[in-house]
Amino acid sequence: LAKTTQPISMDSYEGQEVNITCSHNNIATNDYITWYQQFPSQGPRFIIQGYKTKVTNEVASLFIPADRKSSTLSLPRVSLSDTAVYYCLVGARHNAGNMLTFGGGTRLMVKP
Amino acid sequence: DSGVTQTPKHLITATGQRVTLRCSPRSGDLSVYWYQQSLDQGLQFLIQYYNGEERAKGNILERFSAQQFPDLHSELNLSSLELGDSALYFCASSSTGSAGANVLTFGAGSRLTVL
Repeated sequence: LAKTTQPISMDSYEGQEVNITCSHNNIATNDYITWYQQFPSQGPRFIIQGYKTKVTNEVASLFIPADRKSSTLSLPRVSLSDTAVYYCLVGARHNAGNMLTFGGGTRLMVKP
Repeated sequence: DSGVTQTPKHLITATGQRVTLRCSPRSGDLSVYWYQQSLDQGLQFLIQYYNGEERAKGNILERFSAQQFPDLHSELNLSSLELGDSALYFCASSSTGSAGANVLTFGAGSRLTVL
């Protein structure tokens, strides 16, 4: 199983770029890396997904080095509404099924 | 609205009781996942179904059981409830049963309070 390690918490200010790194040393060849955002008492919401190199969408960028043992979620110019918990998730096979285990997540606090 | 529907939204019950949580996946999605999230804790994977069959089992207690029906909706049954079972229970669905592009769409959750 590809376990993940993320910082427990991060603080930032409005307008800054935030980078959250996730370590996944045991990532398997077929695994994708997916990031989710969760607000209190809500279900997690998909942000971005990648396999290797760099992926960018309208809300974030995801940087994955060649060895794929880590990944970095980059949030450009954060606002107060980006205060949330961010989870890095790596797909795992278990008896031909999925056991998608979330790590502890990173609690991002954006200050004015 | 994510397209994943969970009922009930809130449920208050007593220790020793049994409850059933229901999930309707997003249209077209064949996989359903159940997660438990206790207060200020992370998401604990419970179980996954794909097209009616159990595909993976995580940290699910023996007092808990689940199934996915032919119409693809799923139910999570929690019995002999204990105070520690109080949590948010999330259902998620995805369009693939493999570990490839595992994008999950989560419902709003069912908040269970055991008194």
